[in-house]
Amino acid sequence: GDSVTQTEGPVTLSEGTSLTVNCSYETKQYPTLFWYVQYPGEGPQLLFKVPKANEKGSNRGFEATYNKEATSFHLQKASVQESDSAVYYCALTQNSNNRIFFGDGTQLVVKP
Amino acid sequence: EAAVTQSPRNKVTVTGGNVTLSCRQTNSHNYMYWYRQDTGHGLRLIHYSYGAGNLQIGDVPDGYKATRTTQEDFFLLLELASPSQTSLYFCASSDFNQDTQYFGPGTRLLVL
Repeated sequence: GDSVTQTEGPVTLSEGTSLTVNCSYETKQYPTLFWYVQYPGEGPQLLFKVPKANEKGSNRGFEATYNKEATSFHLQKASVQESDSAVYYCALTQNSNNRIFFGDGTQLVVKP
Repeated sequence: EAAVTQSPRNKVTVTGGNVTLSCRQTNSHNYMYWYRQDTGHGLRLIHYSYGAGNLQIGDVPDGYKATRTTQEDFFLLLELASPSQTSLYFCASSDFNQDTQYFGPGTRLLVL
């Protein structure tokens, strides 16, 4: 079946340092890949999505490249801010059933 | 942007109690979902629906019923609540083939 595996948290960084959250996926079809972000006290919200292999998505300084050969979609940011502290979810969907399969989430804590 | 609301925002009940969680979306989306979120498990799909009167079983359906009365309204029912159902519950909606899900703010349920 479909599944997503991502870096276990919490990940603790200092402001201004770089971030990588690993995400690997398994699926037999051609998925759309997502990163969602969940700030404290809120529901998850879309950070960005990439429907096509070998393309890059980005938003708010975060980016990830859909690597079909490596089945990976790692989230990166060059310089994190305290306001980036949140839980980040990697996810995939196949349009055939409108379901999204989420990873377990990675909590990011950024210290000033 | 999609608007998804949930009520109540917090609920306390006792073991064996009867609980109904409500979700409403106002963007004419076809699909609606119920998730539970627990530390170490991320988001787990309980039930979902692709229209009024339709119900699909998710990954953790035991102990839960759901009903989609209109396109806007989706309810989650716990008829004999147990402490293991203490969790944060999220509702989400999406449009057919749009794949992005929009989440509500969540309902925190405590079963004593």
